[in-house]
Order: sequence, then structure tokens, then C-alpha cells
Amino acid sequence: DVKVTQSSRYLVKRTGEKVFLECVQDMDHENMFWYRQDPGLGLRLIYFSYDVKMKEKGDIPEGYSVSREKKERFSLILESASTNQTSMYLCASTEVARLTGELFFGEGSRLTVL
Amino acid sequence: QKEVEQNSGPLSVPEGAIASLNCTYSDRGSQSFFWYRQYSGKSPELIMSIYSNGDKEDGRFTAQLNKASQYVSLLIRDSQPSDSATYLCAVNFNTNAGKSTFGDGTTLTVKP
Repeated sequence: DVKVTQSSRYLVKRTGEKVFLECVQDMDHENMFWYRQDPGLGLRLIYFSYDVKMKEKGDIPEGYSVSREKKERFSLILESASTNQTSMYLCASTEVARLTGELFFGEGSRLTVL
Repeated sequence: QKEVEQNSGPLSVPEGAIASLNCTYSDRGSQSFFWYRQYSGKSPELIMSIYSNGDKEDGRFTAQLNKASQYVSLLIRDSQPSDSATYLCAVNFNTNAGKSTFGDGTTLTVKP
């Protein structure tokens, strides 16, 4: 069964802290994505990766960085968390070979920055 | 103007009725179109995908695509209370990349 696992479901951090959000998929998918979801704004793409050590900026990359050292793992990093980064963060992956574009999502990580 | 727009909600229908959800997109080169369902507090899950003009049916769900009008819709027949959720329309310019642009979502409530 398809599985995308996000390491933390709920996090509370303070302004200025460094935050790591981890995502692991067990489907051998090539492409992985980080979205954030906010009320009234829908899902917005932060970064995506189509291969190990490869990354591309999405629509809202400011204040974020990513790391993909292994195919199955894609990490989102907030170097210095700010209150406007309080949000639900969703990791997703897709298999290129299936040619469907279907995204498989993790359960989400709800981050609160105080 | 947003790239993907969904009809504003919330939408409320009685049990057994047809729920109609609509979505328009701005990029004429878009190749693939998706409807995801998201229950409160959960992550989105794919319920329908459509790639060519016309209708695609899967059980009680029908997706309709009109590329000329840049319009995609989702019909839910015989709506059930368990269909109450937020429905997200997503559009891909490049199917292989899986990089989807999402609408804001329409919240559907099916009343018993």
C-alpha cells in the first residue's frame, strides 16, 4: 500500500527557531513535493524535487529550504521560523512512470510558530 | 486572477441529491486534471482524474472536462453524508512532473 509518512503531526516552535519537517515515502517515487495549506489560500507549492539532490522552487519558496539526500526522503527546513509560517504542511510524491500525475499525500504537519 | 478557480462555497445539498462542483483554469496548455477529497483534519486523497475532453464516470462520481472552455467539473450522484468534505480541483501543465496547481477548494455538506 502507498505510504507517505511525515515525521511530526503537530509542532509548536518559537520565532527564530530552526525547524525540520521530514517526509519519507516507500513507493520509490521520483518526484516529491512540499505544499502548505492555509484557509482561503488553498494548497501552495513551496519546493519540489525530481531526483536525489535536485530541487526546484515552487510558488512560495521564500523562508524555506529543502534537502533530498536519498530518494525516499524529502526534508523541509525553516531556517528561522516566523509567525507567518504557521500553517499545515503537506508532503506529497508521485511516480513519473505511471504518467498519471496523481499525488500521494502524507498526513500533514501542523506547525504553530509563537 | 488565480490560475485555478473553484465555485465559492460552502455547498449544501440534501442526501440523495446531485452535488455539482466546478473549476476553471487559466493555462490552456494544461494536460491533466484532478479532483481530490479532503476530510476535515485529513490530507487530500485522489478521487478522480481526467485527461481528455468529455465525461469520465467512476461509481457515483463523474468528472467532466471541456478544454475549449477551460472548465472541469465533478458531479456526485446520490450524495451521502459521508461525501461531506472539501473538494480540491488540481491542474497539471506537465503530467509527468506531477506539479499540480490547486484551487482553494469547495466545502460540501450533505444533510441527512
